[in-house]
Amino acid sequence: EAGVTQFPSHSVIEKGQTVTLRCDPISGHDNLYWYRRVMGKEIKFLLHFVKESKQDESGMPNNRFLAERTGGTYSTLKVQPAELEDSGVYFCASSLSGGNYGYTFGSGTRLTVV
Amino acid sequence: GNSVTQMEGPVTLSEEAFLTINCTYTATGYPSLFWYVQYPGEGLQLLLKATKADDKGSNKGFEATYRKETTSFHLEKGSVQVSDSAVYFCALSDTSASKIIFGSGTRLSIRP
Repeated sequence: EAGVTQFPSHSVIEKGQTVTLRCDPISGHDNLYWYRRVMGKEIKFLLHFVKESKQDESGMPNNRFLAERTGGTYSTLKVQPAELEDSGVYFCASSLSGGNYGYTFGSGTRLTVV
Repeated sequence: GNSVTQMEGPVTLSEEAFLTINCTYTATGYPSLFWYVQYPGEGLQLLLKATKADDKGSNKGFEATYRKETTSFHLEKGSVQVSDSAVYFCALSDTSASKIIFGSGTRLSIRP
């Protein structure tokens, strides 16, 4: 079974530009999550999809971040316009049945805004 | 709100030393508890989990016991190897299990 796949693995962009991160969950996993780790701090929750619906987006930092999951398959996270403080590692995870038994994470996208 | 506190790193040990990484949590209800590991250049992997009080999770020689009375989930390994060098994250699922809350991570380095 393929794992959770994230693209790109690294991205370096200038402040003010737009970046789109993509996540392909494990096939059949209805639950998809985005997290990020900034500056070596804790990994923070951004949002949770169940199929194509946003179940919880309480962790989205501001309206420069837009997440979508068209058709309940892959998801994208767009940052527009990017700011320096958006630099960090963005993780995607998926699960069959919520978080009680843990998720499967992707390898992450390291975003650097310069 | 729910939170996880784990010992700050970095932690540096010699091969075959005993490892403890402390983790305590604050939560309402009965969360599940996890340890995740991130090896260099790789993504997060679930190392072990415990879903109720007094459960012991174990994997790859690592163990952690869900202690409700002390709200702790300390990670232990009797004899570490160089290949255990990684960042370790303690985490809990919130009561609705819609998300997992992580600690800040502990970087572990094992020298030969």
